[in-house]
Amino acid sequence: KNEVEQSPQNLTAQEGEFITINCSYSVGISALHWLQQHPGGGIVSLFMLSSGKKKHGRLIATINIQEKHSSLHITASHPRDSAVYICAVSTYGGSQGNLIFGKGTKLSVKP
Amino acid sequence: NAGVMQNPRHLVRRRGQEARLRCSPMKGHSHVYWYRQLPEEGLKFMVYLQKENIIDESGMPKERFSAEFPKEGPSILRIQQVVRGDSAAYFCASSFHPGSWETQYFGPGTRLLVL
Repeated sequence: KNEVEQSPQNLTAQEGEFITINCSYSVGISALHWLQQHPGGGIVSLFMLSSGKKKHGRLIATINIQEKHSSLHITASHPRDSAVYICAVSTYGGSQGNLIFGKGTKLSVKP
Repeated sequence: NAGVMQNPRHLVRRRGQEARLRCSPMKGHSHVYWYRQLPEEGLKFMVYLQKENIIDESGMPKERFSAEFPKEGPSILRIQQVVRGDSAAYFCASSFHPGSWETQYFGPGTRLLVL
């Protein structure tokens, strides 16, 4: 079993729909990251959070430390949101720098 | 403030050749991380460096791969005697503080193709 699991693996939505992507992890973490990988391959960091909730524009990220679960929500989705969304965690102990990644959720938003 | 720079963006090598991938972190960042993304797979950590030091290389293959981050100049990921299985996208990221408690900024990646 992977240390970071994402669901769904693939997601197709109509423009305007509310989207939720889930991430569960099985290790102790110091922080959880949500990343966006564009169709061209570039990676952008969306959020880093260790508790509660963060919002940036139409994106909302939440984390429940007790349940080891995080969600990324996109409100009023748009075709330009089409990308792979990746959950990653940084862990206590060992190196402070490296991230453990989920396999990503491929989102396609249709006009 | 320029972002993380990687070059080349695309690199083609024949089996047995050497590949050198360069990463210039964001200005003021002294922590650099290298990740590899194999085709149809997720990202995997390779190595974490701070200026002139390797902090964690637990994700690096034991042979043929090496990394450095000199006092001056970019970080270099070096792959000797490349094989077809080395074909992947290699991403570099940087941060001002160690990445556990800070956002890492990613470069555009280098796509390595081994023929």
